[in-house]
Amino acid sequence: AQKITQTQPGMFVQEKEAVTLDCTYDTSDPSYGLFWYKQPSSGEMIFLIYQGSYDQQNATEGRYSLNFQKARKSANLVISASQLGDSAMYFCAMRDFGTSYGKLTFGQGTILTVHP
Amino acid sequence: NAGVTQTPKFQVLKTGQSMTLQCAQDMNHNSMYWYRQDPGMGLRLIYYSASEGTTDKGEVPNGYNVSRLNKREFSLRLESAAPSQTSVYFCASSEGGTRYEQYFGPGTRLTVT
Repeated sequence: AQKITQTQPGMFVQEKEAVTLDCTYDTSDPSYGLFWYKQPSSGEMIFLIYQGSYDQQNATEGRYSLNFQKARKSANLVISASQLGDSAMYFCAMRDFGTSYGKLTFGQGTILTVHP
Repeated sequence: NAGVTQTPKFQVLKTGQSMTLQCAQDMNHNSMYWYRQDPGMGLRLIYYSASEGTTDKGEVPNGYNVSRLNKREFSLRLESAAPSQTSVYFCASSEGGTRYEQYFGPGTRLTVT
């Protein structure tokens, strides 16, 4: 069975600094995808970044990058140059291609607070 | 471009009442999903529809039913609401391929008293 673990219930960062949000996963399927979503206080879920298990390079999307360490089964999100608007809940999720249909398994989330 | 829309945004029910949550997407996606989000937990999959005409149970299907009315619409029904179903409900859709991310609706906050 798939499992996503986010061990940091809350993180604090100073504006303009970088922050890393941890995510570890467990799956027996060699083919899978990893996603990060942002949930601001308004409640919507916003897709941030994707990493496929066979991707050779770490994914990047603007200020977001994914530090993918396959052997360690970790997929940490790095946010560079934090902004006040980055304050939100962040979820790591996994899609196991073996189960098909795109079902996502989510972690419990990390609340990020950016201080001015 | 509306993306994924959900109605209603808020709802209060009494135990035993029934209701249907509506979801529609205008992105021509094949797959649609219903999740619930409870405090301190991530989203959990209730039901999903891989394509028009098919539905399958997710992680927490008890107490719910779904209908994939057409390619655009996927509804979630609570036949006899219980306080344990107090939650925020999200509908999502995706292309249904391999990497495709899911796009989420704004959510419905449901309280069952």
